[in-house]
Order: sequence, then structure tokens, then C-alpha cells
Amino acid sequence: DSGVTQTPKHLITATGQRVTLRCSPRSGDLSVYWYQQSLDQGLQFLIHYYNGEERAKGNILERFSAQQFPDLHSELNLSSLELGDSALYFCASSPPFGGAYNEQFFGPGTRLTVL
Amino acid sequence: AQSVSQHNHHVILSEAASLELGCNYSYGGTVNLFWYVQYPGQHLQLLLKYFSGDPLVKGIKGFEAEFIKSKFSFNLRKPSVQWSDTAEYFCAVKSLIKAAGNKLTFGGGTRVLVKP
Repeated sequence: DSGVTQTPKHLITATGQRVTLRCSPRSGDLSVYWYQQSLDQGLQFLIHYYNGEERAKGNILERFSAQQFPDLHSELNLSSLELGDSALYFCASSPPFGGAYNEQFFGPGTRLTVL
Repeated sequence: AQSVSQHNHHVILSEAASLELGCNYSYGGTVNLFWYVQYPGQHLQLLLKYFSGDPLVKGIKGFEAEFIKSKFSFNLRKPSVQWSDTAEYFCAVKSLIKAAGNKLTFGGGTRVLVKP
């Protein structure tokens, strides 16, 4: 157990719908990262938040958005869902500074299935 | 563009055999390197990491990796595998160039099946 929690574990929805994935980082970590793991794209970085502020964006679609709240939990919102959005979505967190800032700890993931 | 490549997509071997998984990256500048393992149905777990210093790093569960800067490689090894090592292994790289952010770039993964 990494200490990073994600809910829900599984999500099944239909095309065109909107879902929200939730992540709570490890105690003391200020950074939250979102990654998408799909069969065709592999593991891809989506977005990074640090203490409530967006720090970096990767290959995140405009239909997707994220935010980090004052209690440091983060939510990834996926809208106008398409079949191709079916994937495993991981959240990771890292310590606030120092060499350990470079290590990321992953949550169990949310498996999204779009029918 | 920055990229990470893992040469083998699938590896099948018997228990007690030695394992070596290749990883090459294309980045300019200083990097941090990682190997993660994903057991069936589970999340990513860190096996080992290289930040600086001795290029031969030892991780958990008997794994080690060697960073060869001149070859842009970070290969993972285990002298004698067990059935429980059946998993998917991911190499990941983080560039220390500030503009790159703190993201990890992953290779495509290598699925390892260890036959009992």
C-alpha cells in the first residue's frame, strides 16, 4: 500500500457521459500527478498539480480537466466520454521538496470502461 | 521528443533463470531513472531508482539496474527469477530540466512470464 488512495476502483459508463475520479495523496505530499494507462498508448502523463496549482500538462485532452483542492485531494474530470477513453487512470503523489521530490508513489488506479 | 524504449515486449522464462530487461532513453541533460513493477491487477510499485552516484543500484526483491550514461541505458537485472516475478515492468525517466516539469515518461513496458 503506497498511501495514495483513489476512488472509485471501477467505473462503467456510456459514451457522452461525464465522470469524476478522485485521488488523495500520501500524508505530507503536496504534488499530485495523473497518468492514463491504455493498451494502445501505454502509460502517459496527463497533468501535475502542486499545492493547488497546475504545474505541468501532458497529453491531456481538452475534454479532461483536473483540480487540486485546499485539502490536497485531486479530482480528474472526464467529459463527453468516448470509447477510446476506456483506460486505467493512475494518480501519484510525491514529497514536497528535496531529492525525494523526484520519486512518485502510485495509487491503485481507477479502471474506466466506456460502453 | 523525449522518449523511453523498452526492447522486449514479452519475455518468457523458467524459474531460476536470469532476467535482463533493456531500457534506453533519449534525453538531453541530467535524468533520474526508475524501474516500476506492476503485478497482475495491482498498481505500480517502485523497484529501484537512480538519482546520482554509483551507477549500479540495488532495489527490492533482488533486482538491480545499471546506468550507462554513454549508452543512455538503464537495464534491469535479476540473477534468478521466481514465479512470483511474473509481472509487467516499466522503465521511467524524469528529466531534471526545469521546463520538463516533474513528470515521468514511461517506456512501453515488458511483460514477464515466469514458468514454474
